[in-house]
Amino acid sequence: GQQLNQSPQSMFIQEGEDVSMNCTSSSIFNTWLWYKQDPGEGPVLLIALYKAGELTSNGRLTAQFGITRKDSFLNISASIPSDVGIYFCAGQWGLGQFYFGTGTSLTVIP
Amino acid sequence: KAGVTQTPRYLIKTRGQQVTLSCSPISGHRSVSWYQQTPGQGLQFLFEYFSETQRNKGNFPGRFSGRQFSNSRSEMNVSTLELGDSALYLCASSLGLGRVGTEAFFGQGTRLTVV
Repeated sequence: GQQLNQSPQSMFIQEGEDVSMNCTSSSIFNTWLWYKQDPGEGPVLLIALYKAGELTSNGRLTAQFGITRKDSFLNISASIPSDVGIYFCAGQWGLGQFYFGTGTSLTVIP
Repeated sequence: KAGVTQTPRYLIKTRGQQVTLSCSPISGHRSVSWYQQTPGQGLQFLFEYFSETQRNKGNFPGRFSGRQFSNSRSEMNVSTLELGDSALYLCASSLGLGRVGTEAFFGQGTRLTVV
């Protein structure tokens, strides 16, 4: 099945730094979702995007639905230790299945 | 509002056995999707049920099957277990109605180990 290309694969940053990650697809989607997963737990929904060009924030997190409908971006500002985890993007067209990215592993160094 | 509940949390089975996993979605959600998560393959879509009907299906062998009940609770069954079936199995629920209510919320998962 299709898998989305998510980059970077891993990031090591200092506490307080900003983080950017992105997700690209060969197919067009009309829904993009971003999740965070802690070890041994299920992914937790962070942000949902429904419209090309849409920019949505959730606290220190901001995500954008790419204008081409084939990509999405997630930014985290002023990172803190509890931001550590794996971040996944997911895309959907219509009522089809969600396709997930390969994940970005974030480590925040205090 | 209760979240998505998966049972059991942990399971150890022997090769050749079968296993049934359960998922109770968020109240009012009619769509339940199942995923297999392994370190090497990431999140792989198994199937989605909406109003007791399989609506979408991933590329898994017939040993993997599921069903959904009238109260939207879903079960996933794996028969003739193989070592490679060891994984975290996640279920996600959503309203399933399209663009509004598309958001999928995950349970904590069932960690299946096949020995």
